[in-house]
Amino acid sequence: GAVVSQHPSWVICKSGTSVKIECRSLDFQATTMFWYRQFPKQSLMLMATSNEGSKATYEQGVEKDKFLINHASLTLSTLTVTSAHPEDSSFYICSARQGASYGYTFGSGTRLTVV
Amino acid sequence: QQQVKQSPQSLIVQKGGISIINCAYENTAFDYFPWYQQFPGKGPALLIAIRPDVSEKKEGRFTISFNKSAKQFSLHIMDSQPGDSATYFCAASRASGSARQLTFGSGTQLTVLP
Repeated sequence: GAVVSQHPSWVICKSGTSVKIECRSLDFQATTMFWYRQFPKQSLMLMATSNEGSKATYEQGVEKDKFLINHASLTLSTLTVTSAHPEDSSFYICSARQGASYGYTFGSGTRLTVV
Repeated sequence: QQQVKQSPQSLIVQKGGISIINCAYENTAFDYFPWYQQFPGKGPALLIAIRPDVSEKKEGRFTISFNKSAKQFSLHIMDSQPGDSATYFCAASRASGSARQLTFGSGTQLTVLP
């Protein structure tokens, strides 16, 4: 089956630094990738949608200068949290769509803690 | 219009019982309805999905029932097991644009007692 690898699983960083999270589709080409944020005991909140080779489309209220998304290839998308602050601490999850099919495959998530 | 409403928020079931989680949607453009299972600290994993041209789909112990006229769909877990204890999310995808973003329900925390 389709596999999406997300790294790192968890990261702790100091306030003011930047953190990069990678999302790779291992056995399929992901024309579209999605980035979500999830707070404890809450649902997934879509942050942005990225298509390979295009600029990401951000949801309302998501700061595009803080959450930089790059989808440079059909198998890799990255989310960079810039100048992280404690309020950015959360669980970040990527998802990849397998082209024209209905399938959405999720990564295992990244727990970000900003201290 | 994009919301998917999910209930109950939490559910406790005895081992061997039936777990039922319900979702309702408003946007008739939705045409793909998946259910995801999420364990703590992990990403969601697809359990089962249905399209609106089918009223029921069964895969093992998991069944989706779909009522297009009522704009409702539900997940039934038969013979629930302690290993099924997790958070379950319904979702829906709309057919507008090329991105086909998923809209998630609020989640149901299922606890199956041994």
